[in-house]
Amino acid sequence: LAKTTQPISMDSYEGQEVNITCSHNNIATNDYITWYQQFPSQGPRFIIQGYKTKVTNEVASLFIPADRKSSTLSLPRVSLSDTAVYYCLVGRTGFQKLVFGTGTRLLVSP
Amino acid sequence: EPEVTQTPSHQVTQMGQEVILRCVPISNHLYFYWYRQILGQKVEFLVSFYNNEISEKSEIFDDQFSVERPDGSNFTLKIRSTKLEDSAMYFCASSEAGRVNTGELFFGEGSRLTVL
Repeated sequence: LAKTTQPISMDSYEGQEVNITCSHNNIATNDYITWYQQFPSQGPRFIIQGYKTKVTNEVASLFIPADRKSSTLSLPRVSLSDTAVYYCLVGRTGFQKLVFGTGTRLLVSP
Repeated sequence: EPEVTQTPSHQVTQMGQEVILRCVPISNHLYFYWYRQILGQKVEFLVSFYNNEISEKSEIFDDQFSVERPDGSNFTLKIRSTKLEDSAMYFCASSEAGRVNTGELFFGEGSRLTVL
């Protein structure tokens, strides 16, 4: 499983765009990049997944450069309710276990 | 929106007692999982379950743990003889056959287990 590195914490203000970058230098050819969000005392929630280039959904965008050794989760115009821990996971898709790291704790202030 | 439900939300037990945590996965999902998170630590995989059998389990999932799908809706995690270090939040998750390749698991809100 590819090891991931992401910042321990980030601070932002309401209305700002937040970009969280994850490094995964040892990503394998058939690995996908998946991001989850976790609020305190709740289960993780799937945000987005991608393999290369850019993926966008109603919640976030995921940017993956050509070498795939990193990825950036972009949250447009964050609100207070986006305060959470964000996890970057790298691995094969399919019926597999998810390996969570320590994540990035995002704090959004007024 | 369909969701994974877990009961109880919080259970306090004495060391050595048996505990059963219950989960109702989303109805059309076929893949089931248990994860746990000790306070302040990472979310850790315990076990995955498909077609009425365990597909994969972690080193944490030793002989004290078992899972069962006793009927068409429930998925349970049993801890036979709880230890202090079993105190954690236990999350059940499920995924559907058609989307298992997206890596999208739906997690429940968790059951907090406190072992005294």
